[in-house]
Amino acid sequence: DGGITQSPKYLFRKEGQNVTLSCEQNLNHDAMYWYRQDPGQGLRLIYYSQIVNDFQKGDIAEGYSVSREKKESFPLTVTSAQKNPTAFYLCASSISTSVETQYFGPGTRLLVL
Amino acid sequence: AQSVTQLDSQVPVFEEAPVELRCNYSSSVSVYLFWYVQYPNQGLQLLLKYLSGSTLVKGINGFEAEFNKSQTSFHLRKPSVHISDTAEYFCAVRRTGNQFYFGTGTSLTVIP
Repeated sequence: DGGITQSPKYLFRKEGQNVTLSCEQNLNHDAMYWYRQDPGQGLRLIYYSQIVNDFQKGDIAEGYSVSREKKESFPLTVTSAQKNPTAFYLCASSISTSVETQYFGPGTRLLVL
Repeated sequence: AQSVTQLDSQVPVFEEAPVELRCNYSSSVSVYLFWYVQYPNQGLQLLLKYLSGSTLVKGINGFEAEFNKSQTSFHLRKPSVHISDTAEYFCAVRRTGNQFYFGTGTSLTVIP
């Protein structure tokens, strides 16, 4: 089955700790995205990547970092500089050469202890 | 700048009644419009999309939406809702590029 997987489903972080959220897709999509979802605020774009080894900041990139070393993988690191990291994180992908849909993973809920 | 406005944060409706979820966008260029549904603690699923052509688009689960360029709207409708339609609904616009802009969501609650 083709799709997007995110792991883990729930992630706990201590204050001052970096954590990495995994996102893998086997749809052969060029473009991948990370969104943060908070209650009442919808989805906000953190980073996106249109091609391997390239990525751009979204609207709320501060305190986050990404890498895109492989087409199928787009991990997101939430650094200690992100002061309010508790949220639901969604990864998505799309075919970059058209205006096709974004396909979403099931999400990771990050909680700070 | 692109923006998407979902006018209602919460919409309660009785089972088997019709529903309309409103979405307006601001853009001076061509846009591509989407509606997504999100069930609790899950990712988003595509309901329908407008890319070009007929302004009335039909999606999954009996939903449809109408693109109105003059009113810059893309309202989602269903003639008869079911309990299983209870979820969060997001309107989104995509520019001719790779960035999507999402509305803040509308929580639809279907009352038995």
